[in-house]
Amino acid sequence: DIQMTQSPSSLSAVVGDRITITCRASQGINNYLVWLQQKPGKAPEPLIHAATTLQSGTPSRFRGSRAGTDFTLTISSLQPEDVATYYCYQYRAYPWTFGQGTKVDIK
Amino acid sequence: QVQLVESGGGVVQPGQSLRLSCEASGFFFDRFSMHWVRQAPGKGLEWVAVISYNGADVKYADSVKGRATISRDDSKNTVSLLMDSLTSGDTAVYYCARDPRQGSGSNPAYWGQGAVVTVSS
Repeated sequence: DIQMTQSPSSLSAVVGDRITITCRASQGINNYLVWLQQKPGKAPEPLIHAATTLQSGTPSRFRGSRAGTDFTLTISSLQPEDVATYYCYQYRAYPWTFGQGTKVDIK
Repeated sequence: QVQLVESGGGVVQPGQSLRLSCEASGFFFDRFSMHWVRQAPGKGLEWVAVISYNGADVKYADSVKGRATISRDDSKNTVSLLMDSLTSGDTAVYYCARDPRQGSGSNPAYWGQGAVVTVSS
């Protein structure tokens, strides 16, 4: 199975800060990666697919990037409504595998 | 717009069975593989099963292999998951999700709102 290593496990930042979350795949997955946002008590919502493509409705402050097997989710200016847990997952191969999650809150 | 709506969750006793369903709308259902993913309370996401776009191929996580059956009915735009011999370890929210991958291309990902399954005596 492809392993997805996500970091950090949590972070706390000030409104307006730029934050980054990283997922590293244990082998090549091309661009077959989704970033999910899960707010407390809610279902996960896809933000980005194909590593860099924003889904409809995703604010432009979210950006996905890729460097080899390293994938990054950047929030350019953290907003209060961005408090959530973020997950990555690869869909290059079955089984889908997920990062461990990054819990983001406001300082 | 694309919608995935799960149903069939509830409270069941250990050893019993449960069938979850996911009704899809807003896209050509028979062109996409469909997945089930679960999330135990306070935990991360765990992939459960997939069925290919034409129903010819199915795969399961080791944790449910032999106890789960995924199926699809393209006439009803529905994918189902039958779980047998349920244990407390199966307690989770179960989500259906559309596979973003189609051939060598990629499409937007979609997830349902989830169905809660509680296994308890």
